Amino acid sequence: EPEVTQTPSHQVTQMGQEVILRCVPISNHLYFYWYRQILGQKVEFLVSFYNNEISEKSEIFDDQFSVERPDGSNFTLKIRSTKLEDSAMYFCASSERGDQPQHFGDGTRLSIL
Amino acid sequence: SQQGEEDPQALSIQEGENATMNCSYKTSINNLQWYRQNSGRGLVHLILIRSNEREKHSGRLRVTLDTSKKSSSLLITASRAADTASYFCATDAYAAGNKLTFGGGTRVLVKP
Repeated sequence: EPEVTQTPSHQVTQMGQEVILRCVPISNHLYFYWYRQILGQKVEFLVSFYNNEISEKSEIFDDQFSVERPDGSNFTLKIRSTKLEDSAMYFCASSERGDQPQHFGDGTRLSIL
Repeated sequence: SQQGEEDPQALSIQEGENATMNCSYKTSINNLQWYRQNSGRGLVHLILIRSNEREKHSGRLRVTLDTSKKSSSLLITASRAADTASYFCATDAYAAGNKLTFGGGTRVLVKP
């Protein structure tokens, strides 16, 4: 069964550095999402992406964050000037259409030191 | 206010028993989805139920939706040790595009 893949599985970065989290959505899906889960907290929506542009973003998704679909298969989340509170599990998801189930990857655990 | 709150927070049952968990939400929804998360892993999609549906089945899973009460339930029948996981409901609302709002989850422990 097709799946969403995320790399790396774990990223350790010094505070203030930039990180890029990578995702390969399911190939025929058109909608892409990023969520995060801080340890012990709920899964939170960050951003949705469709037709090569952001369709919606949360208050969390400020100028520190950006997303890109650099080619036909990858979907990336860039976090500039990381802060300690950015430490979380970051999940990528994709769906075939907006009203279809969102399928999640296994996540990237981001640890900011 | 919190959209999507599961009840109970934790549930411990014997293998073979049924597990029922509930989800309540506050605003009108388009769809409600249930996900499973094993420790340290990603979210696995279980069932999507639309606002005009009342019940849906998938294998040993049964989901109900009561839009008048703004609540949903997930029933796992004949549970197995492998069902041990956290279960989350997630809603998407007409006014919120496709973004999912997750509850805090129910941790289910199935003892062999």
